[in-house]
Amino acid sequence: DAKTTQPNSMESNEEEPVHLPCNHSTISGTDYIHWYRQLPSQGPEYVIHGLTSNVNNRMASLAIAEDRKSSTLILHRATLRDAAVYYCILMRNYGGSQGNLIFGKGTKLSVKP
Amino acid sequence: NAGVTQTPKFQVLKTGQSMTLQCAQDMNHEYMSWYRQDPGMGLRLIHYSVGAGITDQGEVPNGYNVSRSTTEDFPLRLLSAAPSQTSVYFCASSFGFRGTQYFGPGTRLLVL
Repeated sequence: DAKTTQPNSMESNEEEPVHLPCNHSTISGTDYIHWYRQLPSQGPEYVIHGLTSNVNNRMASLAIAEDRKSSTLILHRATLRDAAVYYCILMRNYGGSQGNLIFGKGTKLSVKP
Repeated sequence: NAGVTQTPKFQVLKTGQSMTLQCAQDMNHEYMSWYRQDPGMGLRLIHYSVGAGITDQGEVPNGYNVSRSTTEDFPLRLLSAAPSQTSVYFCASSFGFRGTQYFGPGTRLLVL
């Protein structure tokens, strides 16, 4: 399965933008890029996903590099509630393991008041 | 609409005991899966199901059994608990196998 690389941890100040990077140099042409986050003592929750184009939703934006070997999750104004572990995941779109999420260790985001 | 529910929230077992972790969803999702999360780690896929009567193994299936007799329920059975199975277990479901996955609140299991 294609692997992703994320920084172990990042810090942000409240109400400032946050850019969470993810490298996925072995991504295949049909892999979707998914982001999930896990708040303390909770199950993961979906944040956003994309294939080739940049994507926006009410929670965040996803910027995907032109060669698709990296992506960045953007939180436009961090709040204390955004403190969580953020997982960048490649979802295979074909084959036996299609649809399965393969989690790495993620990036632990701390937000300072 | 309760989403994905898991019971129990917390369980202590002795080595060798068996138990079933329950997972239910009321969203009519075809795809359901079980993950375990060890301290400081990401989630690892144990088993998954793409519909009633169909299950398959994930990354770490040994020591666990699943079955899917209804769309709503996907129980995970520990046949003979071992301390290495101490973990937090999450169940998830999605409309299709490539859809957004919704996770339950987790079951914390301690095997002594």
